[in-house]
Amino acid sequence: DTEVTQTPKHLVMGMTNKKSLKCEQHMGHRAMYWYKQKAKKPPELMFVYSYEKLSINESVPSRFSPECPNSSLLNLHLHALQPEDSALYLCASSQGRQSYEQYFGPGTRLTVT
Amino acid sequence: EDQVTQSPEALRLQEGESSSLNCSYTVSGLRGLFWYRQDPGKGPEFLFTLYSAGEEKEKERLKATLTKKESFLHITAPKPEDSATYLCAVMGYQKVTFGTGTKLQVIP
Repeated sequence: DTEVTQTPKHLVMGMTNKKSLKCEQHMGHRAMYWYKQKAKKPPELMFVYSYEKLSINESVPSRFSPECPNSSLLNLHLHALQPEDSALYLCASSQGRQSYEQYFGPGTRLTVT
Repeated sequence: EDQVTQSPEALRLQEGESSSLNCSYTVSGLRGLFWYRQDPGKGPEFLFTLYSAGEEKEKERLKATLTKKESFLHITAPKPEDSATYLCAVMGYQKVTFGTGTKLQVIP
């Protein structure tokens, strides 16, 4: 099973709202990732968790706050977003952080109004 | 800084017309090169990992090859269901870097 699940599929939020995106995998992978993808662009790395610890933060604004409660779950907490943050948010996981292929979830389509 | 360049940006093929997609890369310490397929509005679907020059992998109508500077994704006798954006990515010392993709359209 190479499935990564993400909820919700779609999210519309105002600039003053607080919401969370959720990601889950049951493949025993020890690295998990958040990516942001704008239309017709490649995925852009935001955060990497390795063994439940944040190992990479690609200078992402503090209005995005990641959390890894356990090895199977990854959350992205959203607060005071801007319209330009509207994008497809992708979660991925891999067996380890180095050299291993990443398996992606279906994404959450976020619209900020 | 690691860089990945894919060409062409878009490719239109007749059903059954074989072709190749190119991925050129510069990376400090290649740990792996990955090919993904992405359909509109969905997450990338993993296809292949290549680790060293000379390596080849095949899956149905797709074959990926790797040299020290580039990778090719060969598509043999494509079908309309092969239409998608194909992404190439490299793993360096720290993270994965994606190319901008090749959008493939296969016409019946």
